[in-house]
Amino acid sequence: NAGVTQTPKFRILKIGQSMTLQCAQDMNHNYMYWYRQDPGMGLKLIYYSVGAGITDKGEVPNGYNVSRSTTEDFPLRLELAAPSQTSVYFCASSSSRGGNTIYFGEGSWLTVV
Amino acid sequence: QKEVEQNSGPLSVPEGAIASLNCTYSDRGSQSFFWYRQYSGKSPELIMFIYSNGDKEDGRFTAQLNKASQYVSLLIRDSQPSDSATYLCAVVRFGNEKLTFGTGTRLTIIP
Repeated sequence: NAGVTQTPKFRILKIGQSMTLQCAQDMNHNYMYWYRQDPGMGLKLIYYSVGAGITDKGEVPNGYNVSRSTTEDFPLRLELAAPSQTSVYFCASSSSRGGNTIYFGEGSWLTVV
Repeated sequence: QKEVEQNSGPLSVPEGAIASLNCTYSDRGSQSFFWYRQYSGKSPELIMFIYSNGDKEDGRFTAQLNKASQYVSLLIRDSQPSDSATYLCAVVRFGNEKLTFGTGTRLTIIP
């Protein structure tokens, strides 16, 4: 059972480049989330989705975009990468509102230089 | 005021002792409370969740919730070196889909 799969695991971007972090889950979860975690900090919510076709902003959405065309996939796009977007990105999914069944992916380490 | 506050630590505890981790939250509408453990370079993993005032025990772990004081804690009994990690407190507001995380407390168990 794969759970939540994120790709790539590591990436170095140059300032101004764009890229997409992929996230897929095979648990048929309706709720999906993207978090970022800066060194020594907690997780901050970037975007979330409560189902296919529905997305909403979290705490720190600027510089990012998402889409949810299927239940399984929730890609995160970074436009015009900036050094402030250097972080670890976690995708997560949940079967229910409230978080007690949330599953995290292994994370994507992104460095913008 | 931050929504969820934790002491960043590091908190050092001798092996075999009780580790006590604390978390306060500002939103009185919060209804669900979670403790995650995160090893360095890894993703968070859920240890416990608690909804009601009082204590909830699971093996060596006890979560304590006091909604009047807006305070939730995690006790780890008989601490082991493998408990060394960062512990993240997270809360969910009633009717919300989103977890709000604290910055985490780094715990080190000293052999």
